Amino acid sequence: AQTVTQSQPEMSVQEAETVTLSCTYDTSESDYYLFWYKQPPSRQMILVIRQEAYKQQNATENRFSVNFQKAAKSFSLKISDSQLGDAAMYFCAYRSPNTGNQFYFGTGTSLTVIP
Amino acid sequence: DAGITQSPRHKVTETGTPVTLRCHQTENHRYMYWYRQDPGHGLRLIHYSYGVKDTDKGEVSDGYSVSRSKTEDFLLTLESATSSQTSVYFCAISESQGALRTQYFGPGTRLTVL
Repeated sequence: AQTVTQSQPEMSVQEAETVTLSCTYDTSESDYYLFWYKQPPSRQMILVIRQEAYKQQNATENRFSVNFQKAAKSFSLKISDSQLGDAAMYFCAYRSPNTGNQFYFGTGTSLTVIP
Repeated sequence: DAGITQSPRHKVTETGTPVTLRCHQTENHRYMYWYRQDPGHGLRLIHYSYGVKDTDKGEVSDGYSVSRSKTEDFLLTLESATSSQTSVYFCAISESQGALRTQYFGPGTRLTVL
C-alpha cells in the first residue's frame, strides 16, 4: 500500500499571511493522482485541490495552490491570504490508477488561523 | 455538493450489539467506500464496492461487513460492536470514468460503543 506522510500535525498562520502544508508519499508508480481535502469543525470532508502526476503544471484554485515535486515525491499545499474560515484539518491523499480507485490518506495537519 | 447522506448521524450502542450504518447516494456513482477516522490515523479504508454485490476489503476490515444490493445504497455492519470500533465513519463515492475520479464524502456518523 502507498504511504502518505504529513509531518506537521499542527500549523498556525496569521490572518492574511501565507502558509504551506507539507505532504510526501511513497510510490513506485509513475502515474497517479494527488488530492488535498479540508475538514472544518463541521467534520465534512471538502475537496480543496487535485493534481495529476503526469501534468507538469502545478494546480491552482483561487487562494490555494500546490507545489508538486514528482522526483522528490512531494505535494505541498500553499494557502495565500489566509482567512479565518481556512482553519481546519487538512488531509493529503494519493490515488493509484491500479487499485480500484482506493485513496490513501495522510494523518492530517491541523491549521489554526490567528486573527 | 455530491448527494450523499449517512444514517444515523450519531449512535451510542453497547458492546456486543450489532450495528448497521447506511450510506445513500443520488449520483449513480459506481464506487462507494467506507472509512473510519481516528485521531492520529487519518482516514482508513474499511471496505469498498465497485458495483452492485461487488465488494472488497480495505486496510481495516476485521470486524466489519458490507453489502450493496442497489447502486445507491452501501451498508456497513458491525456484527458485534466493540469499544475499539468507537470512531467517526465516513462514506465516500467516486466516479468510474475520468482520470481524476475524485472521492466525495458524506457528512459522517459518530459511533460510540460503550
